[in-house]
Amino acid sequence: AQSVTQLGSHVSVSEGALVLLRCNYSSSVPPYLFWYVQYPNQGLQLLLKYTSAATLVKGINGFEAEFKKSETSFHLTKPSAHMSDAAEYFCAADQTGANNLFFGTGTRLTVIP
Amino acid sequence: GAVVSQHPSWVICKSGTSVKIECRSLDFQATTMFWYRQFPKQSLMLMATSNEGSKATYEQGVEKDKFLINHASLTLSTLTVTSAHPEDSSFYICSARDWTGGRNQPQHFGDGTRLSIL
Repeated sequence: AQSVTQLGSHVSVSEGALVLLRCNYSSSVPPYLFWYVQYPNQGLQLLLKYTSAATLVKGINGFEAEFKKSETSFHLTKPSAHMSDAAEYFCAADQTGANNLFFGTGTRLTVIP
Repeated sequence: GAVVSQHPSWVICKSGTSVKIECRSLDFQATTMFWYRQFPKQSLMLMATSNEGSKATYEQGVEKDKFLINHASLTLSTLTVTSAHPEDSSFYICSARDWTGGRNQPQHFGDGTRLSIL
């Protein structure tokens, strides 16, 4: 079965610093991969997705993620953090034949002014 | 883009009450919708998969008689928490998928429902 691991339940960065949120998947067959952001008391908003096309995926709000099959990773980055980026971020995988998403445990991003 | 509307956003009610939560796909047809439960500071836990015109598929450990799911149309799924008790208090989130674009279409999420049982 597919599983998704997010290293670091909390990440703090200074405003303007690089944001790096880590995500690894477990399947030997690369799944489709997604990053979602959740603000307090809200649902999840799609940031970006990997669907076996380009390995470097650009999303909304200046975020991007790179799929690396050799490392089974799909880390999320943003060159310069903004205060409004403070939120919970979830990595998710969609395995062939499975209808649902497999979510990581989430990473809370704090941006320090 | 695809929009999923979830209603209500907040519910506070007495123990023993049944509560219905609606999930609507506003600009696409969703043959499949998902219901999640999220505990504070935790990830989403899939409760059930709602299939239009058929019975929902529940995840292990989820009581189907407690959490009734109805997916009567291609744009609406409802979750009813029957005889709710304080331990049912949680944040419930629905999502829907537009399969017309194939597997690479993502799930679109509602804004969630905060359920508080007194």
